Amino acid sequence: DADVTQTPRNRITKTGKRIMLECSQTKGHDRMYWYRQDPGLGLRLIYYSFDVKDINKGEISDGYSVSRQAQAKFSLSLESAIPNQTALYFCATSGSQAPTDTQYFGPGTRLTVL
Amino acid sequence: AQSVTQLGSHVSVSEGALVLLRCNYSSSVPPYLFWYVQYPNQGLQLLLKYTTGATLVKGINGFEAEFKKSETSFHLTKPSAHMSDAAEYFCAVSSSGGYNKLIFGAGTRLAVHP
Repeated sequence: DADVTQTPRNRITKTGKRIMLECSQTKGHDRMYWYRQDPGLGLRLIYYSFDVKDINKGEISDGYSVSRQAQAKFSLSLESAIPNQTALYFCATSGSQAPTDTQYFGPGTRLTVL
Repeated sequence: AQSVTQLGSHVSVSEGALVLLRCNYSSSVPPYLFWYVQYPNQGLQLLLKYTTGATLVKGINGFEAEFKKSETSFHLTKPSAHMSDAAEYFCAVSSSGGYNKLIFGAGTRLAVHP
């Protein structure tokens, strides 16, 4: 079984809808991250969390919110989806040996906002 | 602020040829550098990383990278390309301090032709 899972893998929605993307991990890591990938831009950090009580904004947090329900679960919400949020979204986890620890990525969620 | 520049969004090589993917970074503090690979329809996985010590770093699948502080570079090489190396490659730098936030380059898509 995969260590980092994301659901759904694909989602098509309409402008204005609220969307939740979910991430679960079995690696026992405290640190979790949400990134979005756009062609030609690489990956950009949306939010990150170092434990259940610690949530931090990344470089592109506007229009997004997150919830850390448990050590193993980190959800990303789009409050009111807009077309320019169409992208590939990745969840990642890492251990606590910052800043050198490896990040482990889920398979991604492809989101299309019409 | 830290940043990463990957020269060449697309690189094409013949099977058996040298692979060279270029990465330059900007950092005001000693950097920690990573190369990740993304195969089609998959998440990112770590190829190799430089933290401290030896500047020539060996990774998985025959890849290696050399940290050159004077040139602010961390180029990825492989002596002989294989068809299975076709993927997108991302260079990243880890932010300083107690956090493990990765700043990614835009990515280089490697094509390998017979």
